[in-house]
Amino acid sequence: GENVEQHPSTLSVQEGDSAVIKCTYSDSASNYFPWYKQELGKRPQLIIDIRSNVGEKKDQRIAVTLNKTAKHFSLHITETQPEDSAVYFCAGGYQKVTFGTGTKLQVIP
Amino acid sequence: EPEVTQTPSHQVTQMGQEVILRCVPISNHLYFYWYRQILGQKVEFLVSFYNNEISEKSEIFDDQFSVERPDGSNFTLKIRSTKLEDSAMYFCASGPGLAGGETQYFGPGTRLLVL
Repeated sequence: GENVEQHPSTLSVQEGDSAVIKCTYSDSASNYFPWYKQELGKRPQLIIDIRSNVGEKKDQRIAVTLNKTAKHFSLHITETQPEDSAVYFCAGGYQKVTFGTGTKLQVIP
Repeated sequence: EPEVTQTPSHQVTQMGQEVILRCVPISNHLYFYWYRQILGQKVEFLVSFYNNEISEKSEIFDDQFSVERPDGSNFTLKIRSTKLEDSAMYFCASGPGLAGGETQYFGPGTRLLVL
């Protein structure tokens, strides 16, 4: 089955700086890679996703890149704000997705 | 904007009891999922459901678990003979199934505590 690894497990950045979270996956059949933001005690919220037919997708301050050859994908958040503080999960798969272990992002005002 | 809903938000039960967690997926979605998240850990896939049958399940989803879509709107997860280690947040998710069923929107979760 799919195995998704995520790094780093924790990340602290100053407000206004960029944050990058990286994930790798194992199953070459995976073609869908969503990113979820989870605030404490809340549901995972889909923030951006990418399918394997594209290499990059951007939505305002958030961008995701995908390298199918290397089987890795990354989340980039620019101009971070305190409200970006949360746990971010990458995931990958086909119909079912396998989640990474999460990155706790802290944006320091 | 339509959302997945789940009831109850919290459930406390005694070990060995049966619980039923309920979900109402987004109305035009075709794929339904259950996930669980043990406190402080990652989200783990349990089962996916499409066209009134299980399409995939994980090794966690053993004979203790079952899912059902009893009517056109509800999607339930039954856990028989609960164990202490079943304590977790259980999330339901649904997806439109437009492109392989991948896009999934999560409900608010049911926090299950087994004593």
